[in-house]
Parts: sequence; C-alpha cells; structure tokens
Amino acid sequence: EVQLVESGGGLIQPGGSLRLSCAASGFSVSDNYMSWVRQAPGKGLEWVSVIYSGGNTNYADSVKGRFTISRDNSKNTLYLQMNSLRAEDTAVFYCARTKRELLSPNYYYYMDVWGKGTTVTVSS
Amino acid sequence: DIQMTQSPSSLSASVGDRVTVTCRASQSIGSYLNWYQQKPGKAPKLLIYAASSLQSGVPSRFSGSGSGTDFTLTISSLQPEDFATYYCQHNYGNPPWTFGQGTKVEIK
Repeated sequence: EVQLVESGGGLIQPGGSLRLSCAASGFSVSDNYMSWVRQAPGKGLEWVSVIYSGGNTNYADSVKGRFTISRDNSKNTLYLQMNSLRAEDTAVFYCARTKRELLSPNYYYYMDVWGKGTTVTVSS
Repeated sequence: DIQMTQSPSSLSASVGDRVTVTCRASQSIGSYLNWYQQKPGKAPKLLIYAASSLQSGVPSRFSGSGSGTDFTLTISSLQPEDFATYYCQHNYGNPPWTFGQGTKVEIK
C-alpha cells in the first residue's frame, strides 16, 4: 500500500529547531519528487518546499534560509529541518508525493499521495 | 510569484445542485492547474490535474476546464460527501507552486 506517515511535530519555543520526518511505503522517495505543504490553524494550504528526484530543492520565500528539505534513501524517508522557528510557522505540516507526468509534449506535476500531517506549534 | 485567486470564498448549495468554483491565475499558466478537496481534519485529496484530467478513483461528477488564466471546477450533481473546501494550485514553471485561498462548499 502506498502510504506516507509524518512525525516529529510538537510544541517548540520561538527561535527553536525541529525536524519533521515523513516515512514512505509502497514507493521510493528517491524516484519521486517529494513536497511539504503546511496549513496554519483555520487557514488555507501553503506550499513550502520540494525535493526533486535528482536532489535539487526549492523553497517558499517565507521559509528560505530557515528550512531544509532532504531525504534518506536507505530509510525511504523525507525530512524537513526547521530552524529559527517563528509563531507564524505554527501549522499542520503535510508531506506529499509529487507526481511528474508526461502529457505530451509537457510534464505536469501534482500531489497524489498525502500523509495525515503532523502539528507544529511555535509558542513560548 | 504567480498568485491564484478563487471565487467565491464560500458557497451554499443543496444536494443535487450543479456547483462551479473559479480559479484565476495572475499570469498565463497554460494547463498547469490542479484541484484538491479537503475535509475538516483531513489531508487534501487530488481531484483534477493538468486542468481537466480526472485523478483515478475520483467520481465523474467532478470535472475541470480552462487554460491560460481562468479555470473552473464543476461538480455536476452535488452529493453529501462533497461538502468540503476546494483548492486550486498551479504547477507552472519553477516553484513556488502556490495554492488558491480555498472555496468552502456548505450545505444550504
């Protein structure tokens, strides 16, 4: 069964660090693009970061320089290292497989498998 | 960055109604547009990708259309399980692949 399970969320003080994990099963994270998306309480979805199958990465401006996306192929796990956390980073964080599909002549990208999310609360 | 604007922000409809949600991009994005459904406390679920391609397992009452800057998600006959919030998201060019602000579909 294709599945993603996030962990690592919790209560952290402003300025602190946290590492989120996303364990994949039924597919290989290294063969896919993988993304993080977050949702602040009562708010909409915010795209956070992506890691491509080749290892390149991209970030939202709101987290650039503070968050780092990575993966461990041997553990088939995606990570999000979050440093210098702020109150506005409080959110449910979802990981998602980002499918790359060729509909000739173009490639399209969409998030087809999602985890259930892990909650990060930044507060003193 | 490309901005995505959905309308309306919320709507009330009855079971059996035809429902339309609109998404507008701040610049042309071709057909690089996805639609997701999210129910309270749950992860989003992919409905439509590439503007009009139905994800496997999604009921055929859902459909997507549009290209360039204007897109539409249509539910042909609203069912009780369709009451949810719907988001569009572009995947044009390099990230950020931003989402719209969401449209909440409520029971009338």
